[in-house]
Amino acid sequence: ETGVTQSPTHLIKTRGQQVTLRCSSQSGHNTVSWYQQALGQGPQFIFQYYREEENGRGNFPPRFSGLQFPNYSSELNVNALELDDSALYLCASSFNRARPVTQYFGPGTRLTVL
Amino acid sequence: SQELEQSPQSLIVQEGKNLTINCTSSKTLYGLYWYKQKYGEGLIFLMMLQKGGEEKSHEKITAKLDEKKQQSSLHITASQPSHAGIYLCGADQSGGGADGLTFGKGTHLIIQP
Repeated sequence: ETGVTQSPTHLIKTRGQQVTLRCSSQSGHNTVSWYQQALGQGPQFIFQYYREEENGRGNFPPRFSGLQFPNYSSELNVNALELDDSALYLCASSFNRARPVTQYFGPGTRLTVL
Repeated sequence: SQELEQSPQSLIVQEGKNLTINCTSSKTLYGLYWYKQKYGEGLIFLMMLQKGGEEKSHEKITAKLDEKKQQSSLHITASQPSHAGIYLCGADQSGGGADGLTFGKGTHLIIQP
């Protein structure tokens, strides 16, 4: 059974640029959630994708967008990067028909915005 | 305002000693999750509690849920260096799962040899 994988592991961008982060779900999972974790904080929910559509969203602006593909992998896109976007971005996959639903996390992508 | 409070924020414990980490929610809990995180890495799922009074154990780690108080505690018995890391509690506070999990800020655990 393959776990959740994310790429790249590290990324450095400058303010105003755009970035795409990628996530592959654990096998058998159909839902992907994205979180942002700033230094010293707990993860904050960005959004969730199920059946290739956004299924729920946290308090993040529209410049944070995503995609889910037929194989359940996902992308997180961030436009017009700001310094405060520097964080660890975590992807979690789950199977929405499981009860209870448990999210399994990938290793994260460390984004630094200069 | 913070919806999930963890205490303590950090903990230094001598190897072999027991310890407890607490998590309190300001909203109704539909599920309480405990994760462990090594610095700068992903979260490792430990256990999930759903029903009041529920208690689960995994190796030397035990978690309990007090539904009435909307609190959970994580207890480690005979701590080892491998227990060091950041412990995060996460809550499903919407009941549907589509709003993601709300996390506390974490408890940093250091084990002294």
